[in-house]
Amino acid sequence: ETGVTQTPRHLVMGMTNKKSLKCEQHLGHNAMYWYKQSAKKPLELMFVYSLEERVENNSVPSRFSPECPNSSHLFLHLHTLQPEDSALYLCASSQDFPPASGIYNEQFFGPGTRLTVL
Amino acid sequence: DQQVKQNSPSLSVQEGRISILNCDYTNSMFDYFLWYKKYPAEGPTFLISISSIKDKNEDGRFTVFLNKSAKHLSLHIVPSQPGDSAVYFCAASASSNFGNEKLTFGTGTRLTIIP
Repeated sequence: ETGVTQTPRHLVMGMTNKKSLKCEQHLGHNAMYWYKQSAKKPLELMFVYSLEERVENNSVPSRFSPECPNSSHLFLHLHTLQPEDSALYLCASSQDFPPASGIYNEQFFGPGTRLTVL
Repeated sequence: DQQVKQNSPSLSVQEGRISILNCDYTNSMFDYFLWYKKYPAEGPTFLISISSIKDKNEDGRFTVFLNKSAKHLSLHIVPSQPGDSAVYFCAASASSNFGNEKLTFGTGTRLTIIP
């Protein structure tokens, strides 16, 4: 596997379910991100992890719980979601956050998980 | 309030012609701009970027122009090819914001190249 992979690619869950999204990067990067893309809305940054520490939480509801056990893996644990949480969830990674050199580090995205909450 | 706006949700261009995708921003702190391209069932991939110290950056068929006074940037693709059909996202970053270089994205423009 190369680049950034995400599983599952599609997920349908009820509002009372607990599920997890998984992201894995094979690029040796130190920073990982979760984004949400709802229909006709821009990508919204949810969380940023740098060297396994959460450095950014963009006012995301607690029903979304991220976990970064190591610099290659990122999870998003989902619990008691609402139908409006249905969206495409994208994971990304970059060399550093913020960039050590002051120059923007390109973010590499996974293919996303299409989540539907019934 | 959207800080990065792509006002054209879709654009159709004849193969071989120039495609021009536009992006406007409102935050004057933005100083780095990027274009990402997204095919169906794939994640966005980085295409080209420009720093606010420049007004043009070129990479093969792709050129990005930045007009800071108008807070406007555009992506030119010439000549357009069928493989360019995708959704294009404009993104911006404020690197001077205490080193916080989060990306703010636009809603995307779906480009269709007509053979």
